[in-house]
Amino acid sequence: AQTVTQSQPEMSVQEAETVTLSCTYDTSESDYYLFWYKQPPSRQMILVIRQEAYKQQNATENRFSVNFQKAAKSFSLKISDSQLGDAAMYFCAYRIYGSGNTGKLIFGQGTTLQVKP
Amino acid sequence: GAVVSQHPSRVICKSGTSVKIECRSLDFQATTMFWYRQFPKKSLMLMATSNEGSKATYEQGVEKDKFLINHASLTLSTLTVTSAHPEDSSFYICSAPGDGEKLFFGSGTQLSVL
Repeated sequence: AQTVTQSQPEMSVQEAETVTLSCTYDTSESDYYLFWYKQPPSRQMILVIRQEAYKQQNATENRFSVNFQKAAKSFSLKISDSQLGDAAMYFCAYRIYGSGNTGKLIFGQGTTLQVKP
Repeated sequence: GAVVSQHPSRVICKSGTSVKIECRSLDFQATTMFWYRQFPKKSLMLMATSNEGSKATYEQGVEKDKFLINHASLTLSTLTVTSAHPEDSSFYICSAPGDGEKLFFGSGTQLSVL
C-alpha cells in the first residue's frame, strides 16, 4: 500500500526567508503523481505544485519549488521569500499514474507553517 | 476554472438525526467524486469514492450504513450521515477530478452533532 509521511508537524519561518517542508512516500509503482496542497484557515484546499514521477526536472511555480528524489522517495517543498499569506497547513499527496483522472489522493499528515512578520 | 460547490458549509444537528451534504460540479461533469473526512489539524482521510450510476466504493473501516453516498447525476454527489452521533462531528470535503489530471475540491462542511 502507498503511504505518505510528513515528519514535521509544525514549521516556522521569518517573512521573506526560505523554508523547506519534507515529505517521503512509499510505493512500488514506477509512475505516479506527487502534489503539495495548501489549506489556509478557510480550509479550502489549494493546489500548490504538482510533479510527475517520470519527469526528472523538478517542478517550479513562482516562489514554490520541489526537490524530487525518486530513488530516495523524497519530495520536499521549498518556499522562497515567504509571505504572511503562506501561513497554512501544507499536505503532501500521492496519486497513482494511469488511473485517468479517477485516481484517489493519499495525503500525508500535514505540516502547519507559521510565518513570522 | 472548474468549481465544485459544497453545501452546507456548516451544520449543527441533534444526535440521532440524519444530515445530507451535497457536492455539485458546476461547469463540468464528474463521473467520480471523492469524499474525505478531516479532524482538527489532521490529515484528510478518504472515506469513499462515488461513481455516477453505480455503487460507491468505501475505504476499509468506513461504515457503509452510516455514511450513505449517492451519485445521482453527472454533476451531483451526496453524502448522508445517518443517525449522527457526536463522534461523527468532523469536517467533510468532497473533490472531483477534472481535465488535465486536476482535482477540484469543495469548500467543505463542518458537521457538529450535539
